[in-house]
Amino acid sequence: AQKVTQAQTEISVVEKEDVTLDCVYETRDTTYYLFWYKQPPSGELVFLIRRNSFDEQNEISGRYSWNFQKSTSSFNFTITASQVVDSAVYFCALSSVTTDSWGKLQFGAGTQVVVTP
Amino acid sequence: KAGVTQTPRYLIKTRGQQVTLSCSPISGHRSVSWYQQTPGQGLQFLFEYFSETQRNKGNFPGRFSGRQFSNSRSEMNVSTLELGDSALYLCASNPGQTSTDTQYFGPGTRLTVL
Repeated sequence: AQKVTQAQTEISVVEKEDVTLDCVYETRDTTYYLFWYKQPPSGELVFLIRRNSFDEQNEISGRYSWNFQKSTSSFNFTITASQVVDSAVYFCALSSVTTDSWGKLQFGAGTQVVVTP
Repeated sequence: KAGVTQTPRYLIKTRGQQVTLSCSPISGHRSVSWYQQTPGQGLQFLFEYFSETQRNKGNFPGRFSGRQFSNSRSEMNVSTLELGDSALYLCASNPGQTSTDTQYFGPGTRLTVL
């Protein structure tokens, strides 16, 4: 069975602080993909990144960066110099290439990020 | 390219009624997945359709059903509504070529059951 754990329920920071969101996953599959999505108050899930299990290179996109460590089954997400617009719920998700995985993302519980001015 | 659209955005129904939600995928995407989001259970996968066929299904009762049309638009139906069906229903589309394609989500339909 697959499982994604986001242990942090809510993180509150002041603008310009960095914030790191933890994501730990469990899967028996050797080939899988990890995702991060952002859900602002409007409700729509916004895709941020997709990473496959064979690519452990860290990635940076603007103020966002991701650290994938297969050895610890973690895929952490850092927002540098946070802004009020970063306030949202962030979800980590997992999918695999097995036949029962068509169209299915296994989501974590989400982490609410609150950025105050 | 237009994103995923869902209609209606908000719905209020009473227990026992049925409801139909609609989802139009991104042009060219042939796979549509549906998710239910509640404060207690989080985001849960309902089912996925590709080329008018259900390819995968989550652990939901038979009251939840769906279908897909030849233009890839999808509908989901919930019959005999219960209070616990109150949720945000999200649909997502992807090209459908692999089980790990990136899914792009619509704005959701917020269903309230009274």
